[in-house]
Amino acid sequence: DAGVIQSPRHEVTEMGQEVTLRCKPISGHDYLFWYRQTMMRGLELLIYFNNNVPIDDSGMPEDRFSAKMPNASFSTLKIQPSEPRDSAVYFCASSLGLAGINEQFFGPGTRLTVL
Amino acid sequence: DAKTTQPPSMDCAEGRAANLPCNHSTISGNEYVYWYRQIHSQGPQYIIHGLKNNETNEMASLIITEDRKSSTLILPHATLRDTAVYYCIVRVGHAGGTSYGKLTFGQGTILTVHP
Repeated sequence: DAGVIQSPRHEVTEMGQEVTLRCKPISGHDYLFWYRQTMMRGLELLIYFNNNVPIDDSGMPEDRFSAKMPNASFSTLKIQPSEPRDSAVYFCASSLGLAGINEQFFGPGTRLTVL
Repeated sequence: DAKTTQPPSMDCAEGRAANLPCNHSTISGNEYVYWYRQIHSQGPQYIIHGLKNNETNEMASLIITEDRKSSTLILPHATLRDTAVYYCIVRVGHAGGTSYGKLTFGQGTILTVHP
């Protein structure tokens, strides 16, 4: 398996523009997570899905952020409109939710820079 | 989830054992101890987890004290490639818990392995 795939790997955009980050989880995994990492706040969980259904979005910073999972093999994180403070590395992770064995596999991340 | 406390940084000589401590004095009976690491510019990587018994895999050993209030991750023969930030996380490991699926990352321990 290729692991968790994220695209793009790097994104540079201007303030006010819409940004869409994409994630393909490991085949067969039923949990998908979106994290954000900054120097100031460290690694934060934004939202996670189970069987394509959002379970907990309490980490989503504000209404400018939205996430979808239309099917088991694809998820998007959208920021509209983007702001400079959204600059961060965004990680997607997936896991197979067996009790006590739910290791999360992380993708390589998308480095977002908002100018 | 129970809060964890880790030293901010540690050094280790290549080839020697690296022992990374973690305090989790408020851990609950149904919470597991997980260790992840993050090598520079990569996504976090799962290392090991345990509930109450000591655990060992191909990467590391996890020693949990009898009262479960602290644990130690042991890398038996550290290499330069083990230089990374190591995160100790405690959370519910079974479905149905309110925090199931959520990994809450702290600041971790920066381990530097020297030649």
